[in-house]
Parts: sequence; structure tokens; C-alpha cells
Amino acid sequence: DTAVSQTPKYLVTQMGNDKSIKCEQNLGHDTMYWYKQDSKKFLKIMFSYNNKELIINETVPNRFSPKSPDKAHLNLHINSLELGDSAVYFCASSQRTISYEQYFGPGTRLTVT
Amino acid sequence: QQQVKQSPQSLIVQKGGISIINCAYENTAFDYFPWYQQFPGKGPALLIAIRPDVSEKKEGRFTISFNKSAKQFSLHIMDSQPGDSATYFCAARGFLKTSGSRLTFGEGTQLTVNP
Repeated sequence: DTAVSQTPKYLVTQMGNDKSIKCEQNLGHDTMYWYKQDSKKFLKIMFSYNNKELIINETVPNRFSPKSPDKAHLNLHINSLELGDSAVYFCASSQRTISYEQYFGPGTRLTVT
Repeated sequence: QQQVKQSPQSLIVQKGGISIINCAYENTAFDYFPWYQQFPGKGPALLIAIRPDVSEKKEGRFTISFNKSAKQFSLHIMDSQPGDSATYFCAARGFLKTSGSRLTFGEGTQLTVNP
């Protein structure tokens, strides 16, 4: 049983396109996150939702827009993709009270050409 | 204030040896210090975590040592095995008034255990 799943696993697209990444968790957690991992493997939080409410919104370009239709889903839409957006994007989830214990998805490797 | 510094960037250890990864932080308001393990092509996974009021925590071959006064903590992997080869991240949980809790990750350590 997959705890945190993401689709797609790989995404190759051209500059200027719009793309979405979907995330679902079946752990019953109330908090979900998006992280970006760059080529040096540095993990940086982008967004966090608790019970569908946006609670962390890091300094990311407005081209990135998260959407949480319900507690189990958190999607990431990216407009006007740029070369610098190429990275691995991870979705994660946790219970808000145990937020140091996060469960990560398998990642989506985005390559912008 | 929210940074966590991790070293070394890469580490090569012989099978059966001890792997030691160190982290340092500045923010004394951090309240949990987890370590995550990431294998190639996978997401990070929680390995072990410690609170700042505990000086050591051991789970199997993995031990966290915590030095609150020095604001440092480290991961020790005893009897390192080739299957331990992965990237290890230390992290710290902090709270911001506007956004609640968040994890701040170190830069990661690429561990290679040679057979």
C-alpha cells in the first residue's frame, strides 16, 4: 500500500509550458507539504497545507500554485515553466502535532528544456 | 537563525566501520531534531529523531548524540553496511508565528560504504 503517491514520476517539458503534479496520501494525515530538491540535493520547503488551509508559503515565484481539494490531496501547478524549475519535487505528509515525522512521496523529476 | 549546517558533504567508510555525520544549529527554539535517509530515486524517510532534552537516542545501529550547550548533534552508524549507502539529512523543527511548524534540513551527506 502506497502511503504518499505522486504522479507523474517524470515530467519533461519545454520552457513556457504549464504543468501539474498530483499528490495523494492515504495515511489520514492532516498536513501536506511540497518540497523542492535541487541538483545538489538540498531540500527546501515550498508550501504546506493543514486541513486544506495554506499555512506555509515560502518565497517561490507566483508561477507556482498549490491546491488542496481535500486533506488527502495536494496538487502543484506550475505556469510558464523556466529552465531553473528543473528539480525533483517531493510531496510529504504528517500529522500537524508530529510534524517532525514526515512521510515523503517518491518524487517527481521535472526537466525543463 | 533557521539554518542547519551539516558536515561532511560526503563520507566513505569501510564495511563494519563507524559513520559519523555532524550538524549544528543556531536557533535554540528548535524542538525536534530528526534524521532522514534518502536512497537514489526515492523520497527521504525518517530514520530517528531526538528532543533537545535528551543527550542520546539509539535505535539499532543508529545513534543520535545531542549536545545542547554546543548546539550540535550527530548521527552515528555503527557496523556500517553497504546497504546503508544513501544520502543522510539532519533536520530541525522550528515554529514561526505566521506559519506554524516547519522542518529545516541540512545540506545532506552522501554516505558510501565500501564492501
